[in-house]
Amino acid sequence: EDQVTQSPEALRLQEGESSSLNCSYTVSGLRGLFWYRQDPGKGPEFLFTLYSAGEEKEKERLKATLTKKESFLHITAPKPEDSATYLCAVQATGANSKLTFGKGITLSVRP
Amino acid sequence: GAGVSQSPSNKVTEKGKDVELRCDPISGHTALYWYRQSLGQGLEFLIYFQGNSAPDKSGLPSDRFSAERTGGSVSTLTIQRTQQEDSAVYLCASSLRGLAGGGIPYEQYFGPGTRLTVT
Repeated sequence: EDQVTQSPEALRLQEGESSSLNCSYTVSGLRGLFWYRQDPGKGPEFLFTLYSAGEEKEKERLKATLTKKESFLHITAPKPEDSATYLCAVQATGANSKLTFGKGITLSVRP
Repeated sequence: GAGVSQSPSNKVTEKGKDVELRCDPISGHTALYWYRQSLGQGLEFLIYFQGNSAPDKSGLPSDRFSAERTGGSVSTLTIQRTQQEDSAVYLCASSLRGLAGGGIPYEQYFGPGTRLTVT
């Protein structure tokens, strides 16, 4: 069974204090790993897809990396507007393209 | 362009009643997914439609849940005889296709969700 574990559950940062969010996964075969951002009362917003170990993608203050067992979402010099829940999901090889999600990491950035 | 839309945004119903939740995917997207997000839990896959193929219903929690997709576009998720444990946010997502050649995944775009409360 595919599993995704995210840690920590919650993270509080001071504005400008860089940190990393972890996503560990177990999957029979990885087709892709996805990061989403979710604001309260809204649906998840797509951030990145990573396909293979060693791959990195960046967008503004965010950089996602992937190994064979885990992914990191690095946040550099965060701002209060980066406060949200960050979700990690995997898509396994096979006929069904469903996503298996972790429970998310709630990030709070204080000004 | 327009994103995925869902209606209603909120639904309060009494235990035992039936409810219908609607999803309008992004135009041109052939794959459509339903997920459920319960308090403190991750998103849970429910059902997947790809074009005219038979849907993958492997995530539906009981036979009280059903979904259909008409004309390859709009989808309706129906919950019969609702129970309190059905209370959750129901999210719909669409992607250009389910799978591409070579197995490259397409990203899924989510709607705002329908918050269902069963009293």
